[in-house]
Amino acid sequence: DAGVIQSPRHEVTEMGQEVTLRCKPISGHDYLFWYRQTMMRGLELLIYFNNNVPIDDSGMPEDRFSAKMPNASFSTLKIQPSEPRDSAVYFCASSAGQGILPGEQFFGPGTRLTVL
Amino acid sequence: AQSVAQPEDQVNVAEGNPLTVKCTYSVSGNPYLFWYVQYPNRGLQFLLKYITGDNLVKGSYGFEAEFNKSQTSFHLKKPSALVSDSALYFCAVRDSHNAGNMLTFGGGTRLMVKP
Repeated sequence: DAGVIQSPRHEVTEMGQEVTLRCKPISGHDYLFWYRQTMMRGLELLIYFNNNVPIDDSGMPEDRFSAKMPNASFSTLKIQPSEPRDSAVYFCASSAGQGILPGEQFFGPGTRLTVL
Repeated sequence: AQSVAQPEDQVNVAEGNPLTVKCTYSVSGNPYLFWYVQYPNRGLQFLLKYITGDNLVKGSYGFEAEFNKSQTSFHLKKPSALVSDSALYFCAVRDSHNAGNMLTFGGGTRLMVKP
């Protein structure tokens, strides 16, 4: 298995532009997570999906952020308009539910976003 | 609510010495505990987990962790550190009372192993 795939790996954009980050989870995994990592705030959970349905989006910073999962093999995180404070590494992770027990999450390599 | 704390921002050890990276947690139900490692410019990699059973859990790369319910701790250990173990380590927890598969991560501990 190729693992969790994220694209692009690096994104540099100007303030006000729309940014779309993409994720392909591991086949067969029914949970998908979006995280943001910064030096100041550490690793933050933004949103997660179960069976393509958003379950908890309380970590999404504001309305400029949106996430979708149109099918089991693809998810996007969109920022519109982007701001310099959105600069961070964004990780996607997936896991397989094991009944009531949690499965470990597998992380993608991340997208390093720089907003100028 | 579930929370996890890693009290040390950085741990320094000499190669060949034992290492410990500390983690404490807070949950209302039973804890499900995880350790992850992050190398520079990489995503987090799963090391080990405690769900139930034996309090001593063995994982990848010779790491192990001990679940201590009375001290609400899940410290990561390795008998003999390698320079290549230098990385950022994250502890994570999920409360059995919480539905779904959401983990709460600690702030991370940077492990520096010196030759």
